[in-house]
Amino acid sequence: EADIYQTPRYLVIGTGKKITLECSQTMGHDKMYWYQQDPGMELHLIHYSYGVNSTEKGDLSSESTVSRIRTEHFPLTLESARPSHTSQYLCASSADGSYGYTFGSGTRLTVV
Amino acid sequence: AQSVTQLDSQVPVFEEAPVELRCNYSSSVSVYLFWYVQYPNQGLQLLLKYLSGSTLVKGINGFEAEFNKSQTSFHLRKPSVHISDTAEYFCAVSLRSARQLTFGSGTQLTVLP
Repeated sequence: EADIYQTPRYLVIGTGKKITLECSQTMGHDKMYWYQQDPGMELHLIHYSYGVNSTEKGDLSSESTVSRIRTEHFPLTLESARPSHTSQYLCASSADGSYGYTFGSGTRLTVV
Repeated sequence: AQSVTQLDSQVPVFEEAPVELRCNYSSSVSVYLFWYVQYPNQGLQLLLKYLSGSTLVKGINGFEAEFNKSQTSFHLRKPSVHISDTAEYFCAVSLRSARQLTFGSGTQLTVLP
């Protein structure tokens, strides 16, 4: 049973729309991460947070933004979606390095 | 900084045959090692992890991995695969002091009937 939840699972949206991908975890983890993944491809870290009011950009440049107002919630926002944003977005959380990450089921975003 | 190399991007294998997915890492200090599995349109699920102690680690779904410090490898094995094992497999490494995992580029395992 998943302890980290992503909604929506699938989203098809028009160019120029603002969207927010939700990620929530019930494990009390301080560390949370967003990855972007094209089908069959590697994971690219786009944002991470080590605690409330702490966010950083990852290795892959992204036009998205994130916020961390509450420990359990780490939403990702695209102000103006473009077809190049079409991808799968994975959220993960972690307690510390020895536990690894717990991943959500992902949001598959298609921008038309 | 650490890095992870998965030597095979695709591994096709027949059902009930053994399989080995290879993973090498580079790090000059002690690390934690992980294998994750990703089924189509899903997130990643932890298969197994090595923290310390016995170098042979057993995970879920009949998978196991062996940590080899001298060869800096952490290969994943299963003696007999099933169709349901078809998925993408990711190796990952973390420095013991770090707060992030470094992932390999993934290996697509396809089990053929």
